[in-house]
Amino acid sequence: AQSVTQLDSQVPVFEEAPVELRCNYSSSVSVYLFWYVQYPNQGLQLLLKYLSGSTLVESINGFEAEFNKSQTSFHLRKPSVHISDTAEYFCAVSDPGNTDKLIFGTGTRLQVFP
Amino acid sequence: DTGVSQDPRHKITKRGQNVTFRCDPISEHNRLYWYRQTLGQGPEFLTYFQNEAQLEKSRLLSDRFSAERPKGSFSTLEIQRTEQGDSAMYLCASSLKRDSPTDTQYFGPGTRLTVL
Repeated sequence: AQSVTQLDSQVPVFEEAPVELRCNYSSSVSVYLFWYVQYPNQGLQLLLKYLSGSTLVESINGFEAEFNKSQTSFHLRKPSVHISDTAEYFCAVSDPGNTDKLIFGTGTRLQVFP
Repeated sequence: DTGVSQDPRHKITKRGQNVTFRCDPISEHNRLYWYRQTLGQGPEFLTYFQNEAQLEKSRLLSDRFSAERPKGSFSTLEIQRTEQGDSAMYLCASSLKRDSPTDTQYFGPGTRLTVL
């Protein structure tokens, strides 16, 4: 069975600092990879996804993630965070043969301080 | 586009009672998913529908759980004889299945269930 590991449950950073949220998955087959964000009192929102092609994917608000097949990782990065980026971030994977369900990691809480 | 809505947002019940949650997907989305999220964990897949057909059920979905989507629009999730272990956030998501590799799932705000 596939699984997703987010090693950091909490990541505290100061505003304008860079950040990396780590995500590793376990799968012997090709997968689709996602990052979702959950702001306080809101539903999960898709941040970005990797299906195929370029291993570097970007979101509209400055986040990017790089698919690394050899390391089975899909880390999320942002060069300079804002207070408004404070949220819970979930990495997820789906099997291309069964894209109908997402398997989520346990989440990483990003706390940005002024 | 009003997004996925869920009702109620919060539910407190006593052990042994039955509860029912409702999910209204984004209009014209043909797929609807239910997930459960417990404290400190990521969402876990429960079941999903293609129109009114329930296509897959997780082993997490015991016999006390039942989900329906009678007209292929809104869905209900019922838990019978609730147990304290059922306390969780229940999330609903919908998507429009096309021929593309994968469809984006849009999540609702969730229903938080507390079983006393």
